[in-house]
Amino acid sequence: DVKVTQSSRYLVKRTGEKVFLECVQDMDHENMFWYRQDPGLGLRLIYFSYDVKMKEKGDIPEGYSVSREKKERFSLILESASTNQTSMYLCASSLLVPGGGYEQYFGPGTRLTVT
Amino acid sequence: AQSVTQLDSQVPVFEEAPVELRCNYSSSVSVYLFWYVQYPNQGLQLLLKYLSGSTLVKGINGFEAEFNKSQTSFHLRKPSVHISDTAEYFCAVSEYGGSQGNLIFGKGTKLSVKP
Repeated sequence: DVKVTQSSRYLVKRTGEKVFLECVQDMDHENMFWYRQDPGLGLRLIYFSYDVKMKEKGDIPEGYSVSREKKERFSLILESASTNQTSMYLCASSLLVPGGGYEQYFGPGTRLTVT
Repeated sequence: AQSVTQLDSQVPVFEEAPVELRCNYSSSVSVYLFWYVQYPNQGLQLLLKYLSGSTLVKGINGFEAEFNKSQTSFHLRKPSVHISDTAEYFCAVSEYGGSQGNLIFGKGTKLSVKP
């Protein structure tokens, strides 16, 4: 079974703190993604990475950065957390499947509260 | 640009009744289509996918979906729901040849099954 793990299920941080969210996948997938999920807005892509040390901005990269030093690990960094970054953060990795297309596998999510 | 519209934000239904969750997409090229389910406090899990071939796709937990190219729809159906189907459901699309399988998600439909 594909496993995507995230370092914390719940996190509470103060405004201005630097926050690290870690994601690890155990299936040697090339591509990894960070989304945030907010009620009524669905999932929005923050950043993705298609290889070690490579990254691409998604739809809402402002206020975030990422790091991918090893294939299995993709970190999301909030340089200076703000209250509007309170959200559920979901990590995913993807695999090219027979028949074409990529299938994404998700971690359990980290619910971040910034006070 | 691609987009996904889930026409109902909430769908209440009684146990053992049939249900249909609607999804329409827009894209200028051919697409792959997915339905994911999210149970409370969990990540997303793949229910089913359409890559090519038969337009009727069967997934896990008795769900199925039909791809209709002329109507650009991919509605999800189940003939008889259970209490355990209570969850949020997300429709997603990616383009043929798209970059590393980036998915565009709809805003989700909350299915609430009542006894």
